Amino acid sequence: EPEVTQTPSHQVTQMGQEVILRCVPISNHLYFYWYRQILGQKVEFLVSFYNNEISEKSEIFDDQFSVERPDGSNFTLKIRSTKLEDSAMYFCASSDQGITDTQYFGPGTRLTVL
Amino acid sequence: QKEVEQNSGPLSVPEGAIASLNCTYSDRVSQSFFWYRQYSGKSPELIMSIYSNGDKEDGRFTAQLNKASQYVSLLIRDSQPSDSATYLCAVKSDSWGKLQFGAGTQVVVTP
Repeated sequence: EPEVTQTPSHQVTQMGQEVILRCVPISNHLYFYWYRQILGQKVEFLVSFYNNEISEKSEIFDDQFSVERPDGSNFTLKIRSTKLEDSAMYFCASSDQGITDTQYFGPGTRLTVL
Repeated sequence: QKEVEQNSGPLSVPEGAIASLNCTYSDRVSQSFFWYRQYSGKSPELIMSIYSNGDKEDGRFTAQLNKASQYVSLLIRDSQPSDSATYLCAVKSDSWGKLQFGAGTQVVVTP
């Protein structure tokens, strides 16, 4: 069964460093998302991406964040200068329709900022 | 502020019993509703989706939707210890498919 994959599973970085989180969505899906979950808190939407551009972003997704689909398979989230409060699980999700279809989540990347 | 509310639990359920989880949402134009299961340290895993008022059954799971009351629920029949997890209610309101999640209800199934 097709699945969303994410790398790395765990990333440890120093405050102020740049990190890139990678995702490979399900191959025939067209809509891509990033969510995060701070430990003990709810899953929060960060950004949605369709047709090679951002379709929606949340207040969390400020200028420190960017997304890119560098080729036909990868979808990346870059945090330019990490802060302690960026420590969280980051989930990539994809769906093949934007309206009612299901979003399938990857296993997540645990980001720890020291 | 659009909200999705769930009781945090924990909801303790004896093995073999029915677990009943509730979720309310504030945005009246919400179109799509999802229940995800999340084990500790893992990603959300889809259990059910529901789009129309009424019940939808899939195996031991039944989702119920009442748009007039802005209420969606999940029943787990014949609960098993492997059902012990946090259950997340998620609502989709706009065309770009952003999911808004509740905080989740922790279910503990006791043998």
